[in-house]
Amino acid sequence: GAGVSQSPSNKVTEKGKDVELRCDPISGHTALYWYRQSLGQGLEFLIYFQGNSAPDKSGLPSDRFSAERTGGSVSTLTIQRTQQEDSAVYLCASSFVLRGVNTEAFFGQGTRLTVV
Amino acid sequence: AQKITQTQPGMFVQEKEAVTLDCTYDTSDPSYGLFWYKQPSSGEMIFLIYQGSYDQQNATEGRYSLNFQKARKSANLVISASQLGDSAMYFCAMRGAMNRDDKIIFGKGTRLHILP
Repeated sequence: GAGVSQSPSNKVTEKGKDVELRCDPISGHTALYWYRQSLGQGLEFLIYFQGNSAPDKSGLPSDRFSAERTGGSVSTLTIQRTQQEDSAVYLCASSFVLRGVNTEAFFGQGTRLTVV
Repeated sequence: AQKITQTQPGMFVQEKEAVTLDCTYDTSDPSYGLFWYKQPSSGEMIFLIYQGSYDQQNATEGRYSLNFQKARKSANLVISASQLGDSAMYFCAMRGAMNRDDKIIFGKGTRLHILP
């Protein structure tokens, strides 16, 4: 696709349920990032992938959060046993390597998660 | 650890005036990249400008320029001749050297209001 695609765009779930958020990066982009943004706040880093491996998982808030990336392309962020504090916009971004340097990140439109 | 600091939570500027948004950073890595993003009320993240730590000249993109002062670890964004459409949230971001600390971290942002 032309840009980073995230689905669903909106998700309302009941507390305690599991949710999966999907990110389809720009074709050829090797790096993929997940962020969380609460209302009116900055971007909280969650995890990033280089290819299929995740060199840095330091931002995942708890063991209820996990992410995977397969085939160096699509990534899924899974939140188990959702809590109300998980409500936020989850943003995905991707970037490619140019002369050995990762370029700027291109963002998707985000998934707005509401836990009720 | 890397850190980005934006000390101006909000700014009000008269239309057509120049604006400087402050950003300081902290890193022990000699190789890094600095970015600015704009987030309008629609929520999309729009890449504005990039500065590499080894770039000799300050980056410019149209009305945007980055005032890079490496010794002071500052990377202020300057918007010339501000327009009403510049009203948005602005985020400064940093990435470390590829394959070492390649995640992109963001500051808390500055909300810019352009007054007619």
